Amino acid sequence: EPEVTQTPSHQVTQMGQEVILRCVPISNHLYFYWYRQILGQKVEFLVSFYNNEISEKSEIFDDQFSVERPDGSNFTLKIRSTKLEDSAMYFCASSERDRAHGYTFGSGTRLTVV
Amino acid sequence: RKEVEQDPGPFNVPEGATVAFNCTYSNSASQSFFWYRQDCRKEPKLLMSVYSSGNEDGRFTAQLNRASQYISLLIRDSKLSDSATYLCVVWPGGGNKLTFGTGTQLKVEL
Repeated sequence: EPEVTQTPSHQVTQMGQEVILRCVPISNHLYFYWYRQILGQKVEFLVSFYNNEISEKSEIFDDQFSVERPDGSNFTLKIRSTKLEDSAMYFCASSERDRAHGYTFGSGTRLTVV
Repeated sequence: RKEVEQDPGPFNVPEGATVAFNCTYSNSASQSFFWYRQDCRKEPKLLMSVYSSGNEDGRFTAQLNRASQYISLLIRDSKLSDSATYLCVVWPGGGNKLTFGTGTQLKVEL
């Protein structure tokens, strides 16, 4: 079964540092997403990406965050100047068609900011 | 009112029991509805979509009541492997994002 691949599985970074979280969506999918889940809380939408541009973003996704699809396979989330409250699981997801059909999530990157 | 509201549980049930989870959503214009399953510290996995007519997948039955803005999930003959957190997920429409509830934790015991 096709899957969404995320690397690394766990990243520890110092406050103020930049991190890049990487994702390889399913190859024939057109829509890509980042979500995050702070420990013990709900899964929250960050951003969606289609046709090489951001199609929607949440209030959480401020200037500290950026996304990029640098080549035909990778989809990255960059967090500049990390804060303690950025510690969370970050899930990448992709879908073949629009959101009405549900997503496939990657296994996540656990980001710990110290 | 929260966009998607669920009883967090936990629901502790014996193996073989029938258990039902409920979820309410605030946006009456919401378009699509799903149940996801999430194991501890893992990614959410799509369990089933929810349709107005109700739908069944093996031991799992989902129902949608648009008038009451209410979604349910029924699990029959619970297995130990059903132990997980069940997430009610709504697509509000008019954009791309899915809105998640906080989840209901199920523990199936011997």
